[in-house]
Amino acid sequence: AQSVTQPDIHITVSEGASLELRCNYSYGATPYLFWYVQSPGQGLQLLLKYFSGDTLVQGIKGFEAEFKRSQSSFNLRKPSVHWSDAAEYFCAVAPYGGSQGNLIFGKGTKLSVKP
Amino acid sequence: KAGVTQTPRYLIKTRGQQVTLSCSPISGHRSVSWYQQTPGQGLQFLFEYFSETQRNKGNFPGRFSGRQFSNSRSEMNVSTLELGDSALYLCASSLEATTDTQYFGPGTRLTVL
Repeated sequence: AQSVTQPDIHITVSEGASLELRCNYSYGATPYLFWYVQSPGQGLQLLLKYFSGDTLVQGIKGFEAEFKRSQSSFNLRKPSVHWSDAAEYFCAVAPYGGSQGNLIFGKGTKLSVKP
Repeated sequence: KAGVTQTPRYLIKTRGQQVTLSCSPISGHRSVSWYQQTPGQGLQFLFEYFSETQRNKGNFPGRFSGRQFSNSRSEMNVSTLELGDSALYLCASSLEATTDTQYFGPGTRLTVL
């Protein structure tokens, strides 16, 4: 069965520091891969997605993610974190060639930012 | 362009009752998906509709049902509510949900007492 693992439940970083959130997936083939962010009381906002091609994907708000097939990973990075980045981050997958409408999500990583 | 809207935003029901949640997708979007978010289980896929047809269904009991209307608006219904149905129910829409970005609404917070 497909699954997504986000090993870190909660991460705290200082403002201005770099960030890396980990995501590993289990799937027979390379799926579509996504990162979403959820602020308290809000829905989800798409940060970036990977379908194929260049394994380094640029997203909104200065985020990027790198797909590593050999490690079944799709880690999210940001070089310098801002206080407004404090939120919960979700990695998700959808079957390759299938519909994005039935995403499988990881359990999320809550990001806290220290001033 | 208006985003995805969900009504009501908050709802309190008692066990055994039923509830209907509504989702209005972004204008022009034909695909609507529903997800349940709880602290314990996280985000779980409920169902996906495209052009009034259910295209995919998650692993939820038959008490959870949905439909989509010709204007792409969607409703989901939960019958015989249980305490464990307390959750944030999120709706997402996209043009066709294959390679198109999904846009999520703010959710409906359902509390079952």
